[in-house]
Amino acid sequence: GAGVSQSPSNKVTEKGKDVELRCDPISGHTALYWYRQRLGQGLEFLIYFQGNSAPDKSGLPSDRFSAERTGESVSTLTIQRTQQEDSAVYLCASSLGTDRRGDGYTFGSGTRLTVV
Amino acid sequence: DQQVKQNSPSLSVQEGRISILNCDYTNSMFDYFLWYKKYPAEGPTFLISISSIKDKNEDGRFTVFLNKSAKHLSLHIVPSQPGDSAVYFCAASPKNTGFQKLVFGTGTRLLVSP
Repeated sequence: GAGVSQSPSNKVTEKGKDVELRCDPISGHTALYWYRQRLGQGLEFLIYFQGNSAPDKSGLPSDRFSAERTGESVSTLTIQRTQQEDSAVYLCASSLGTDRRGDGYTFGSGTRLTVV
Repeated sequence: DQQVKQNSPSLSVQEGRISILNCDYTNSMFDYFLWYKKYPAEGPTFLISISSIKDKNEDGRFTVFLNKSAKHLSLHIVPSQPGDSAVYFCAASPKNTGFQKLVFGTGTRLLVSP
């Protein structure tokens, strides 16, 4: 597609339930990133994928968070046993490669997750 | 610990005047800095960047200044236009390992009035 697509755009879930967020990157973009923005905060790095290399998971806040990517296409971010502090906008970005230091990132419009 | 700080949550300017958005950082390992613009219900879009080997980078109406000794950067928009009204995020990238892990500030909401 023309841009990075994320779904759903909004998700309300009950505390304790699992959620799955989806990101479709731009075709041909080998690098994919997940960030989140909690209310009043800046964007926080969560995880990044580069081609077939092992993902950098160093930003995941707890073992309830996990992410997968199939080749160089779709990625899913899964949050198990959601907590209220997981409420945030989850943003996905993709780029041609990690030689670009943020200049080439294209962000999706995000998934707003609300845990009630 | 907020490594990138944008201390002004909002800024209002009149059309045609200069907008100056400020950003401070604490980590001396940052060597690349970026500004992103975000409209409501959209993802951030890249605006302009600067490497730590420079002190200024200009792109049309947008100029970013970097003062390494003060660990401070600023974005100047001249002249400001109503379409510039958005939230502006400052971001920093550390050198070497982990350079792809951008660290963002909390954003400054700019409102340009006609």
